[in-house]
Amino acid sequence: GENVEQHPSTLSVQEGDSAVIKCTYSDSASNYFPWYKQELGKRPQLIIDIRSNVGEKKDQRIAVTLNKTAKHFSLHITETQPEDSAVYFCAAIPNTGNQFYFGTGTSLTVIP
Amino acid sequence: DAGVTQSPTHLIKTRGQHVTLRCSPISGHKSVSWYQQVLGQGPQFIFQYYEKEERGRGNFPDRFSARQFPNYSSELNVNALLLGDSALYLCASSFGTSNYGYTFGSGTRLTVV
Repeated sequence: GENVEQHPSTLSVQEGDSAVIKCTYSDSASNYFPWYKQELGKRPQLIIDIRSNVGEKKDQRIAVTLNKTAKHFSLHITETQPEDSAVYFCAAIPNTGNQFYFGTGTSLTVIP
Repeated sequence: DAGVTQSPTHLIKTRGQHVTLRCSPISGHKSVSWYQQVLGQGPQFIFQYYEKEERGRGNFPDRFSARQFPNYSSELNVNALLLGDSALYLCASSFGTSNYGYTFGSGTRLTVV
């Protein structure tokens, strides 16, 4: 099955700086890569996603890049704010499957 | 429009007991998936149901079972609870069997003592 690795496990940045979280996947058949934000005690919420036919997608301060050849994708958050503090999960889904394979999460802390 | 609703929100059970968790999908969504999230880890897939049929099963023992009802709501059952079953159980719904447009519920926090 698919194996998703996520780095770093923890990340602290100063408010206003950028944050980058990276994920790698193993199954070349994976074709959909969502990112979820999970605040303490709350449900994961989709913040951005990308499909394998696209190399980059941006939504205001958040962007995701995908390198299919290297099988890795990254989340970029610019101009970070304290409310960006949360755990972020990447995920991959093979086009032959019906389940998400999640990374182990990155705890992001934005220091005011 | 209500999101994915799960009940109960918190639950404490004793080892060996049985538990039933419930999920109501977003109106119009026909697929329900269940995930287990152990503290400090990403969610792990347990089941997917679509139109009352099991469409996928993760690497979980037979103590875990689920079903989906005609109104597309779902139950997750766990028998002979172990301490290691303590986790946040998340339900996600989507319109079809593909997982684009997944929406998670707030989860049920199960503690086994």
